[in-house]
Amino acid sequence: ETGVTQSPTHLIKTRGQQVTLRCSSQSGHNTVSWYQQALGQGPQFIFQYYREEENGRGNFPPRFSGLQFPNYSSELNVNALELDDSALYLCASSLETGTGEQYFGPGTRLTVT
Amino acid sequence: AQRVTQPEKLLSVFKGAPVELKCNYSYSGSPELFWYVQYSRQRLQLLLRHISRESIKGFTADLNKGETSFHLKKPFAQEEDSAMYYCALGTSYGKLTFGQGTILTVHP
Repeated sequence: ETGVTQSPTHLIKTRGQQVTLRCSSQSGHNTVSWYQQALGQGPQFIFQYYREEENGRGNFPPRFSGLQFPNYSSELNVNALELDDSALYLCASSLETGTGEQYFGPGTRLTVT
Repeated sequence: AQRVTQPEKLLSVFKGAPVELKCNYSYSGSPELFWYVQYSRQRLQLLLRHISRESIKGFTADLNKGETSFHLKKPFAQEEDSAMYYCALGTSYGKLTFGQGTILTVHP
């Protein structure tokens, strides 16, 4: 059984640029959730994708968007990067929507300068 | 609105001592509570969930709806319990609201 993987591990972007983060869900999981974790804080829910549709969204602006593909892998896109977007971005997959039993990836560390 | 509060940022105990990590929540619906743990250089992972009523690695947590609490307890702490612990509240579609976390250090 393959766990959740994320790429890249780290990246550095400049304010105003766009970034795409990728996530492969655990085998057999059809739901992917994305979280933002600022330094010293708990993860904060961005949105969830279930069977290629956005299934719920947290308090993040529209410049945060996502996709889920037929193989249930997912992307998080952030446009017009701001300094406050610097954080660890976590992807989590689950067997179905509606469960808080989620399996997390190692995260992508984004630094915006 | 949902909210999870972990009042202790840091908690230190000695090996063999009891440990309790506090968690309080605010939610108007029927809560689903979890404890997640992150050991050093590892990813965030589920420790336990209230509906399973299991004891995992010696840890237990009881949901107290009257006090809106879900404290994590272990009667005899071990050095390998040292980690970051997050309390989380789940909604109907699986959104997790996390607390700020408590760093537990168990001294030998």
